[in-house]
Amino acid sequence: LAKTTQPISMDSYEGQEVNITCSHNNIATNDYITWYQQFPSQGPRFIIQGYKTKVTNEVASLFIPADRKSSTLSLPRVSLSDTAVYYCLVGGPYNTDKLIFGTGTRLQVFP
Amino acid sequence: SAVISQKPSRDICQRGTSLTIQCQVDSQVTMMFWYRQQPGQSLTLIATANQGSEATYESGFVIDKFPISRPNLTFSTLTVSNMSPEDSSIYLCSTIVLTNEQFFGPGTRLTVL
Repeated sequence: LAKTTQPISMDSYEGQEVNITCSHNNIATNDYITWYQQFPSQGPRFIIQGYKTKVTNEVASLFIPADRKSSTLSLPRVSLSDTAVYYCLVGGPYNTDKLIFGTGTRLQVFP
Repeated sequence: SAVISQKPSRDICQRGTSLTIQCQVDSQVTMMFWYRQQPGQSLTLIATANQGSEATYESGFVIDKFPISRPNLTFSTLTVSNMSPEDSSIYLCSTIVLTNEQFFGPGTRLTVL
């Protein structure tokens, strides 16, 4: 399972776009990249998953360069409620394999 | 999707005792996972529990300390045995239902005095 590296923390203000980059130099051919969000006193919640290029859903966008050694989670126009810890994970196809969590990025959004 | 409930939501226990945490899923699932999250830390996988087979433990976790049951496709238990203050953590169970996401329970906050 590929190891991931993320910034420990980030600060932002409401209305700004936030980009969190994750490094995964040893990603395997079959690995997908998945991001989870965790609020205090709750379990992690799936945000988005991708394999290559760009994926967008109603919550976020995920940018993956051609070499797939990194990925960037983009949160458009954050609000106070986006304050949470964001985890980047890589794993086998369709997440049928166990998930290994890295340190995560603690995002603090200020008014 | 999957809705996962855990019991108890929190507990305060004395050292040397044991606590069994229950995890209930609202649909039949093959794989269930147990994680530990210590205060301010990331999640650490304890074990994978598949119905009909013994749990597979990660490095640093042993069956005598964290026995797991998986009696059917919707339920699992994790027991924290002979507890010490170092076992104070949030314990979470999770499962995979669809092809691309894992669902987590709300966690059980354990404090050992």
